[in-house]
Amino acid sequence: QQQVKQSPQSLIVQKGGISIINCAYENTAFDYFPWYQQFPGKGPALLIAIRPDVSEKKEGRFTISFNKSAKQFSLHIMDSQPGDSATYFCAASGGSGNTPLVFGKGTRLSVIA
Amino acid sequence: EPEVTQTPSHQVTQMGQEVILRCVPISNHLYFYWYRQILGQKVEFLVSFYNNEISEKSEIFDDQFSVERPDGSNFTLKIRSTKLEDSAMYFCASSMDGIHEAFFGQGTRLTVV
Repeated sequence: QQQVKQSPQSLIVQKGGISIINCAYENTAFDYFPWYQQFPGKGPALLIAIRPDVSEKKEGRFTISFNKSAKQFSLHIMDSQPGDSATYFCAASGGSGNTPLVFGKGTRLSVIA
Repeated sequence: EPEVTQTPSHQVTQMGQEVILRCVPISNHLYFYWYRQILGQKVEFLVSFYNNEISEKSEIFDDQFSVERPDGSNFTLKIRSTKLEDSAMYFCASSMDGIHEAFFGQGTRLTVV
């Protein structure tokens, strides 16, 4: 129930293309869904986050789509660039201070020119 | 820009030895966390700390682990008797209110030999 399932495990996208990463969760108590970007040797950095009161959130080239009934959310990276090549983790939490983030297994994105 | 700092960046220790990983959270943050990431795997929650006490811990955080906030700035993770399977990247994170963004440090790579 605490798991967040993420797919695909790895993704190769042409420069300028759209990268799509999907996550699914079981715990209906989750109410905060962030995406983290991690470069090799670095800590995860928050990219964008959404709460279930909206179905979509866009920040620049990054969009989260959220489907509460299906308990799924996805990250779309428009106009993907080689600099976007990194590992992306979805996560979820119950939103209170004592509820930790539960991470997906990560997606290694490679954007090729 | 404020950041979470961790020391050391890399620690090599012999099996059975004690290690202390150090973190300086962002100064006005109230919630502190330790996560770990075994090479190539997902980020896993270890423990959260608020108001000078553990607020939640995972099943990974057994009796060999302890956390402490010895002064107003440092937050430490102690592993009493390290095992080979403790080899991982350990991330400290902090959050202002436990609801919004958790900022991660760069991590300490622990290698147990």
